[in-house]
Amino acid sequence: AQKITQTQPGMFVQEKEAVTLDCTYDTSDQSYGLFWYKQPSSGEMIFLIYQGSYDEQNATEGRYSLNFQKARKSANLVISASQLGDSAMYFCAMRVWDTGNQFYFGTGTSLTVIP
Amino acid sequence: DTGVSQNPRHKITKRGQNVTFRCDPISEHNRLYWYRQTLGQGPEFLTYFQNEAQLEKSRLLSDRFSAERPKGSFSTLEIQRTEQGDSAMYLCASSLTATGVPPLHFGNGTRLTVT
Repeated sequence: AQKITQTQPGMFVQEKEAVTLDCTYDTSDQSYGLFWYKQPSSGEMIFLIYQGSYDEQNATEGRYSLNFQKARKSANLVISASQLGDSAMYFCAMRVWDTGNQFYFGTGTSLTVIP
Repeated sequence: DTGVSQNPRHKITKRGQNVTFRCDPISEHNRLYWYRQTLGQGPEFLTYFQNEAQLEKSRLLSDRFSAERPKGSFSTLEIQRTEQGDSAMYLCASSLTATGVPPLHFGNGTRLTVT
């Protein structure tokens, strides 16, 4: 079975500081992808960053980077230089290639950036 | 690229009534997904289309739920004989079929309240 676990229901970070949001996953498949989405209070889900299971380097997209530790099955999101607009829910998701096209989502982490 | 469009944004209905939601994906996207999200949870997979073919359905999708995607363009999700437990945000997402890992692009969702 595929599972995504986000153990931090809520996080606070000072503006301009970096913050790490945790994500662990469980799958017995070798081919999978890991995603992070941002959901502001307005409700839309915004794609942030992707990491493939065979990618050797950690993914980066602007202020977002993904700390991928395959042996630990973790895919933590690092946001550098936090901005007030980063306050939102953040969801980690996984897609496994051989078991269909579902994306499995975690329960999310609520991030609040403090001025 | 006008994004994924969902209508209506909000729907309030009485228990036992039928409701129908519409999703217009990004025009060149041939994959379309429906997810349900309740408060404090991540999105849960309901069903998935590739073009007009419904390829996967979750166990969450009871007999009261039906989804269609005629002509492989827009999709509708109908809930018959609504129950209070159906109250949730219904999210539609679309993606390309391509090599690599195309992410999901989400709409703003339809919030259903069953009274």
